[in-house]
Amino acid sequence: NAGVMQNPRHLVRRRGQEARLRCSPMKGHSHVYWYRQLPEEGLKFMVYLQKENIIDESGMPKERFSAEFPKEGPSILRIQQVVRGDSAAYFCASSPQLAAEAFFGQGTRLTVV
Amino acid sequence: GESVGLHLPTLSVQEGDNSIINCAYSNSASDYFIWYKQESGKGPQFIIDIRSNMDKRQGQRVTVLLNKTVKHLSLQIAATQPGDSAVYFCAEKVGEYGNKLVFGAGTILRVKS
Repeated sequence: NAGVMQNPRHLVRRRGQEARLRCSPMKGHSHVYWYRQLPEEGLKFMVYLQKENIIDESGMPKERFSAEFPKEGPSILRIQQVVRGDSAAYFCASSPQLAAEAFFGQGTRLTVV
Repeated sequence: GESVGLHLPTLSVQEGDNSIINCAYSNSASDYFIWYKQESGKGPQFIIDIRSNMDKRQGQRVTVLLNKTVKHLSLQIAATQPGDSAVYFCAEKVGEYGNKLVFGAGTILRVKS
């Protein structure tokens, strides 16, 4: 059973471009969570999704950031018009149920130049 | 360990010694806590969890202690090994759906051989 798969592992974007980060949850997991980690800090919650539904997006910046988890395919975190402050590691986690332990992927390290 | 500026606190221990990593939380209503280990370039890895109706829980070589009176958690690692070197985070589960993890700042554990 493969773990949570995130791609790409590293992503470099110029200011103003779009960044798309993908997350395939573990098999049988229908709950997906996105977190952001700045250097030498803990992870900060961004959004919680179930298939085709955003349940809690209280940690998402109001502009430029969006997330989806379609019926088929991976969850996508999309950042439009990236700025240098978006540079961070973005982690996805998944769980089979809400109250269950969440397993984290290896993360995508976004660098905005 | 002691924190300096923005750097994470660091705990250096000799291989074979016991390690104690501490964490304070702020929400007295929190009822579920988790310790994670994060190695360089990887996502957080679940170590052990504890609910607020317990004050101690033991795993393999690890023990978590919870003191609700002073809102304090600790992680004890017995017979610390070089492979234990990592950043350790405590996290509490919050949110309307119990879906969010709020992470502490983290502690670097360095094991000297």
